[in-house]
Amino acid sequence: DAGVTQSPTHLIKTRGQQVTLRCSPKSGHDTVSWYQQALGQGPQFIFQYYEEEERQRGNFPDRFSGHQFPNYSSELNVNALLLGDSALYLCASSLAGSGGGTDTQYFGPGTRLTVL
Amino acid sequence: AQSVTQPDIHITVSEGASLELRCNYSYGATPYLFWYVQSPGQGLQLLLKYFSGDTLVQGIKGFEAEFKRSQSSFNLRKPSVHWSDAAEYFCAVGARGYSTLTFGKGTMLLVSP
Repeated sequence: DAGVTQSPTHLIKTRGQQVTLRCSPKSGHDTVSWYQQALGQGPQFIFQYYEEEERQRGNFPDRFSGHQFPNYSSELNVNALLLGDSALYLCASSLAGSGGGTDTQYFGPGTRLTVL
Repeated sequence: AQSVTQPDIHITVSEGASLELRCNYSYGATPYLFWYVQSPGQGLQLLLKYFSGDTLVQGIKGFEAEFKRSQSSFNLRKPSVHWSDAAEYFCAVGARGYSTLTFGKGTMLLVSP
């Protein structure tokens, strides 16, 4: 049973560029969430996708956008990169439920983005 | 708004000694509570979770945590630490019905021989 996978593992970009990160959820999961983890910090919620729609969004600017495909995989896009966007980007998948205990998130290994 | 406080940035424990990592949360209703562990350069691995019921929950790798509503705490414990437990530990709170999480800043566990 494959867990959450992310690509690429590492990425180096320069300021002003655009980047796309990819995530495949754990088998059987239909919800994908993205988190940003800056060095020395806990993960911060960016947004969540369910049924190809953005269901929730954290306090991140519009430069951060995403997409979910019919097979539940997801992309995170960041435009006009800033130095402060350098971080580990984590994808988590879960199974949408009624709150009865199915909402456990499982994380991928992350993509390390460095902006120069 | 929900929040999580992990008061200890670093903790050093001798191998074989017991461990307790502290976590306090702020949330207006009954929370979902989680502990995750992160090894250097890796993603997060779920150790255990509390949704409801028994306030003492058992997790993987011999970890347990106790939910104390009166203290708004969810401390992580292990009776005997192994060198392989050295990692960063994150406590997180989630809202019922939505699986987004709010994390603490983490506690780095160092294990001395």
